[in-house]
Amino acid sequence: QQPVQSPQAVILREGEDAVINCSSSKALYSVHWYRQKHGEAPVFLMILLKGGEQKGHDKISASFNEKKQQSSLYLTASQLSYSGTYFCGTGGTRDDKIIFGKGTRLHILP
Amino acid sequence: DAGITQSPRHKVTETGTPVTLRCHQTENHRYMYWYRQDPGHGLRLIHYSYGVKDTDKGEVSDGYSVSRSKTEDFLLTLESATSSQTSVYFCATTRSVYSNQPQHFGDGTRLSIL
Repeated sequence: QQPVQSPQAVILREGEDAVINCSSSKALYSVHWYRQKHGEAPVFLMILLKGGEQKGHDKISASFNEKKQQSSLYLTASQLSYSGTYFCGTGGTRDDKIIFGKGTRLHILP
Repeated sequence: DAGITQSPRHKVTETGTPVTLRCHQTENHRYMYWYRQDPGHGLRLIHYSYGVKDTDKGEVSDGYSVSRSKTEDFLLTLESATSSQTSVYFCATTRSVYSNQPQHFGDGTRLSIL
């Protein structure tokens, strides 16, 4: 089943924080996060694996809550370059094909 | 990145004509995927390949066929294009089939069927 992302869209001012959630109705093994700018290809951000880990680079981090079957992407002190659509992709097992959510559109205002 | 080139980048064609999209990769990744992206749907898997001549269907495979005669090339064919197949098509590759591997995407092909 397709994971559910929330919110569908968010508008922030530069410097504000954002949280994007990705929830699944089934148990998860992996969660992928990608960012796509308008007219471009999705770009890989990070993968989180079963075990409830957290990951991050620069001011973008994510958590994986295995029990709740969800992941959250955190963007702190957002920059204009963070604008775009963020997709999560989930795999129920190691052998699963990744299923992508519908995306969350993030728009950062100066 | 994984050196993925899609061609053509844009195409306009008429209903009922066959269309072939090409994905070429230079990283020797064994696994390749075709997705379509439509507003409100995200990325949906059409077909994938786990090696030369080895392909399988994804969730939205009706009306599409694929072929992979070389590791580096994965072709997507719309046998008789319909307006519902107007979309942006992305090719992706992974080093292994496991869901703990990142997907590397090409720049996409914008296909319009009139």
